[in-house]
Amino acid sequence: QKEVEQNSGPLSVPEGAIASLNCTYSDRGSQSFFWYRQYSGKSPELIMSIYSNGDKEDGRFTAQLNKASQYVSLLIRDSQPSDSATYLCAVPFTGTASKLTFGTGTRLQVTL
Amino acid sequence: EPEVTQTPSHQVTQMGQEVILRCVPISNHLYFYWYRQILGQKVEFLVSFYNNEISEKSEIFDDQFSVERPDGSNFTLKIRSTKLEDSAMYFCASSESNTQETQYFGPGTRLLVL
Repeated sequence: QKEVEQNSGPLSVPEGAIASLNCTYSDRGSQSFFWYRQYSGKSPELIMSIYSNGDKEDGRFTAQLNKASQYVSLLIRDSQPSDSATYLCAVPFTGTASKLTFGTGTRLQVTL
Repeated sequence: EPEVTQTPSHQVTQMGQEVILRCVPISNHLYFYWYRQILGQKVEFLVSFYNNEISEKSEIFDDQFSVERPDGSNFTLKIRSTKLEDSAMYFCASSESNTQETQYFGPGTRLLVL
């Protein structure tokens, strides 16, 4: 069974701190990885995509990928209360040409 | 910025009734998807659609479900005889090409089966 694993949280960080969200995946052959943000009752909204090992930065967000360890993370710098949401890791597994497998998501709470 | 739209935003139906959920994908996208999310659970893939046919479906997508692209803009999900356990948020998504590309999600339809 191919899986995407995330700690469900909640992860609580003070405003201005760095939030670190982690995801592991079971399919060693996976080539692309997506982080979505989901506010309660709303749809997933793309934050970052990453395809190569290493870091990818976009504003306050940095995605980190380590394919050897089957691990992808999302760092949020200078966390804001508006970042409080559930962060979903999504991976298309090999042999599934058009299906995203989602993790359960990590709920982030940014406190004042 | 182009976006995926879905109608209705909410749908309440009686068990056994048919429902049709509608989606308008982003105009230059070629791949279309339906996902669902039962309250408090993870987002689950239902079906993908490309070139007017299903390219992949999950075990959830049984004979009660069907998809159609009735015209050049709409993409629909039909549930023939709804069950209580079909109550969920249903999300439509689209992508320019296959899943190596980003899938963009619509706002969802909240379906409640009574």
